[in-house]
Amino acid sequence: KNQVEQSPQSLIILEGKNCTLQCNYTVSPFSNLRWYKQDTGRGPVSLTIMTFSENTKSNGRYTATLDADTKQSSLHITASQLSDSASYICVVSGGGGTSYGKLTFGQGTILTVHP
Amino acid sequence: DSGVTQTPKHLITATGQRVTLRCSPRSGDLSVYWYQQSLDQGLQFLIQYYNGEERAKGNILERFSAQQFPDLHSELNLSSLELGDSALYFCASSADPTSYSYNEQFFGPGTRLTVL
Repeated sequence: KNQVEQSPQSLIILEGKNCTLQCNYTVSPFSNLRWYKQDTGRGPVSLTIMTFSENTKSNGRYTATLDADTKQSSLHITASQLSDSASYICVVSGGGGTSYGKLTFGQGTILTVHP
Repeated sequence: DSGVTQTPKHLITATGQRVTLRCSPRSGDLSVYWYQQSLDQGLQFLIQYYNGEERAKGNILERFSAQQFPDLHSELNLSSLELGDSALYFCASSADPTSYSYNEQFFGPGTRLTVL
């Protein structure tokens, strides 16, 4: 069964600190992995997308890593800001068959940044 | 602003009723996806359309149906509504649904459905 597991479920950090969110997946065959940021009540916004051959990708203060062998990814946030408070969702594309574009979503990690 | 529009923003209705949610994709995008996000669950993929044709199906109930029109806008129809259908419904669009592309999806702002 295609699954995406994220940890931790929630995280509280102080403004200016760094943090790392984890994502493990069992989706096969694998197409790509993306991280989304979702503010409360809003639609998800893409942060990074990585294919099998990419093992790191940055978007400003966000850096995602991918280990396709162990099927793990992480999202590192540097020098956190209050506006980083959101749900971060790991999404894996693939799954074979005719599931073109079908995405498997993780449950998300809720990040709260305190001043 | 992702370029994907959804209407209405909020919808309140009663059990047993039928509603229609509307989505207009980004200019040039041929593929539309529908997702449901309940309070206690993450995003659940419902269905995908590409250039008017159904492309992939996820956890969509038989009471739900969707279509994509020639102008590429899409509608999600929810019938015989139950309390548990209360959720945020998101539409996303992408240019190309093929698996070897990045297939980045752009999400709309969502429609919040409340069933009383």
